[in-house]
Amino acid sequence: EAEVAQSPRYKITEKSQAVAFWCDPISGHATLYWYRQILGQGPELLVQFQDESVVDDSQLPKDRFSAERLKGVDSTLKIQPAELGDSAMYLCASSRKQSSGANVLTFGAGSRLTVL
Amino acid sequence: AQKITQTQPGMFVQEKEAVTLDCTYDTSDPSYGLFWYKQPSSGEMIFLIYQGSYDQQNATEGRYSLNFQKARKSANLVISASQLGDSAMYFCAMREGDTGRRALTFGSGTRLQVQP
Repeated sequence: EAEVAQSPRYKITEKSQAVAFWCDPISGHATLYWYRQILGQGPELLVQFQDESVVDDSQLPKDRFSAERLKGVDSTLKIQPAELGDSAMYLCASSRKQSSGANVLTFGAGSRLTVL
Repeated sequence: AQKITQTQPGMFVQEKEAVTLDCTYDTSDPSYGLFWYKQPSSGEMIFLIYQGSYDQQNATEGRYSLNFQKARKSANLVISASQLGDSAMYFCAMREGDTGRRALTFGSGTRLQVQP
């Protein structure tokens, strides 16, 4: 089965530096999500795209985070400048409808960020 | 208020026994979906099972079943015949509304350890 591709898998950066994560959803999946998961917690939504449009970015810290999905396919999440509290797993997901009718999120392997 | 509550930070179970992971939810929307995901130490979120709010029967997927008690707003995951490979974090999640495109809200997770 096709997968959601994410890169880099691991990223170590110093605070104040810029960092970017890339996601390529499953082909044909119009809805794309970026989640942040702090160690020991559940994932929290940062931004949701429908095609190239932002549907929900209410939890995105817009002073330092930005996200784009210019052609409605792959997406980039950027942090500038990175802060110590940004250390987390950044998960990308896209959704598809199952035979049961449920719209299931399929996640990528994630990008683990460590800010020093 | 928390939309998804998982009260068990950690659970132990003996191999081959059944285990129940608790999840309660809070919503005023009559249409919603409940999901369970497994997250091994590798980090990827793996979809396990889905229950729609209007589904009359409890969902089952192989060794996984969802004990859905609508009046109590609970959606407990039951894993039968536990295997060593079941050791992982388990997250309960909810999607409100009937469009199928809203993001999922996740609980804080339960760490399950299967002992030989």
